[in-house]
This record gives sequence, C-alpha cells and structure tokens, in this order.
Amino acid sequence: EVVLTQSPATLSLSPGERATLSCRASQTVDSYLAWYQQRPGQAPRLLIYDASVRVIDVPTRFSGSGSGTDFTLTISSLEPEDFAIYYCQQRRYWPPFTFGPGTRVDLK
Amino acid sequence: EVQLVESGGGLVQPGGSLTLSCAVSGFTFSSAWMTWVRQAPGKGLEWVANINEDGSAKYYMDSVKGRFTISRDNAKNSLSLHMNSLRADDTAVYYCARNYVRGTFDYWGQGTLVTVSS
Repeated sequence: EVVLTQSPATLSLSPGERATLSCRASQTVDSYLAWYQQRPGQAPRLLIYDASVRVIDVPTRFSGSGSGTDFTLTISSLEPEDFAIYYCQQRRYWPPFTFGPGTRVDLK
Repeated sequence: EVQLVESGGGLVQPGGSLTLSCAVSGFTFSSAWMTWVRQAPGKGLEWVANINEDGSAKYYMDSVKGRFTISRDNAKNSLSLHMNSLRADDTAVYYCARNYVRGTFDYWGQGTLVTVSS
C-alpha cells in the first residue's frame, strides 16, 4: 500500500500570504496524484489531479507540481475561503486508493 | 447540474447491517466508475470501495472485504453499499463519489453518517 505523508500538519497563515503544502509518497506514484480541499461540514472538493491539472472553476491561485514521490500544492495568495483542510491522494497503485492525513490551513 | 445524494445512514448496533444508497443525476451514470469514501469523526478520508461501469468489477479496502458489498442499478441511476457485521470502527460519514478518471473523484455527495454503537 502506498503511504502518503503530508507536511506540515497545520499551516497558520494570514489572508494574502502564500501557502506551500507538501505530500510525499512511500514509493513513486508517477504523476497520479490529486489534491482535495475540505471545508468544515462539507464534502471534499477536487482541486488538482494528475499532479498539476487544475479542475475547471478552481481559481488559478491554486497550482500543483511534482512527480515521483514529492508533490506540492501552492496557494499563491490566500483568500478567506481557502482556510480548510487539504488532502493528497494517489491512484497509481490500487486497491487501495490512499489519501494523506491532511494539512490544515488556518488563520494566523 | 451533477448531484449525488446519499441516504440510509443511522445508528446501528455492533454486528448489525445497514444499506446506504446514492441517487445520482446530471451525468451518464452508466458510463462512470463509482466509489465510496468514508471519514471517521475528526479523521481523514479513507477509500472504501469502487465499482466499474456495469458492475462486473468491484474492489474493496481490506478491512471491509467480506462484510461490505458495493452494487449499482444503472436503470435507476443508483449506487449502493450494503454493510454487514458492522463494527465500532466503521463509524464514519460515508460519501459516494464519481470517478472522473479512474481513482480521481470529481463529484461527491454530501455524505451520510453511520454510527455503530450499542
């Protein structure tokens, strides 16, 4: 099973600041990695898939990069609605599809 | 508009059974792989099961194999998860989701809470 590790666990930032979230896989997942946003009380929302492909209607301030075992989600300038939990997820080796434990982006 | 609406959650005793349903609209259900993902209270996301377009292929996480069954009715645009021998650690919000590409989940329902407790 591919284990995904996310860091940091919590990121405390202010609106307008840049957020850099990391996801590391226990073995290569090529570029088969997605990022999801989950706001409190809501279902997850797909932001990025295949490491860097942004979903239509996701703001351009969200970008993904990386391949192999190391991936990054960057939010260039935080908006108030971006304070949420972010999960990475791999689809290279399944079953099972696996998620990381999440990074919480909260208000400093 | 794509909609996925789960139902069937509730309180069940350990060892009991429950069937979750997901009613789908807004896309061609019979052309999509579908998935159940769960989230225990205050915890992260956990993939549970996948089913292919015509229901001939099903995949499960290890801890639910032999206890849970994923199925679909393409005529009714409906996905189901039948859960037997429920345990306390099955307590979670269960989400149904569409596979955009296999293993990437682009549309999600709002979730239904399953609580396993005596």
